[in-house]
Amino acid sequence: GAGVSQSPSNKVTEKGKDVELRCDPISGHTALYWYRQRLGQGLEFLIYFQGNSAPDKSGLPSDRFSAERTGESVSTLTIQRTQQEDSAVYLCASSLFASSYNEQFFGPGTRLTVL
Amino acid sequence: AQTVTQSQPEMSVQEAETVTLSCTYDTSENNYYLFWYKQPPSRQMILVIRQEAYKQQNATENRFSVNFQKAAKSFSLKISDSQLGDTAMYFCAFMKHAGNNNDMRFGAGTRLTVKP
Repeated sequence: GAGVSQSPSNKVTEKGKDVELRCDPISGHTALYWYRQRLGQGLEFLIYFQGNSAPDKSGLPSDRFSAERTGESVSTLTIQRTQQEDSAVYLCASSLFASSYNEQFFGPGTRLTVL
Repeated sequence: AQTVTQSQPEMSVQEAETVTLSCTYDTSENNYYLFWYKQPPSRQMILVIRQEAYKQQNATENRFSVNFQKAAKSFSLKISDSQLGDTAMYFCAFMKHAGNNNDMRFGAGTRLTVKP
């Protein structure tokens, strides 16, 4: 595609429910990243994929958070048993390779609101 | 651990004038990258400018330039001839010069408003 796309754009859920957030990277990009942006704050790294594997899961805030990627394309970030503190914008980015040299291109994000 | 600090939560500038956004960082690394990203209301992060720490020359991109002071660990962004479309959140970010570029740290951002 022309750019990174994310769906849904906005998600409102009730505390305790599970949510799935989707990211479609730029075609041909092998690396994919998830970030969380709380209101009024900068981006917080969550996890990244090189291909379909996730070498670094250290940024995931708790075991309620998980992510997967299939076919070196679409990725899904799942939050189980959502809590109010999970409310944030979740941003996805992709790059050609997982290297310092390659620019990360960002999607528009999913705004998650947990009531 | 690396930290990035943006001490100006909000700034404003008149159209066509120049504004400078501040950023400081803390690291023990010698080789790294610094970035300024723009986030308009659409939420999409856009790379404005990038600086490699081993390069002494300050990066420039049209109306955007940086003042990189490695010893002082300072990386400010200057926007010349400000335009209404420059209104956005601006984030400073740091990344180690390593094979895996997952370690990107962001500051809290500066909200810039360009006034007509």
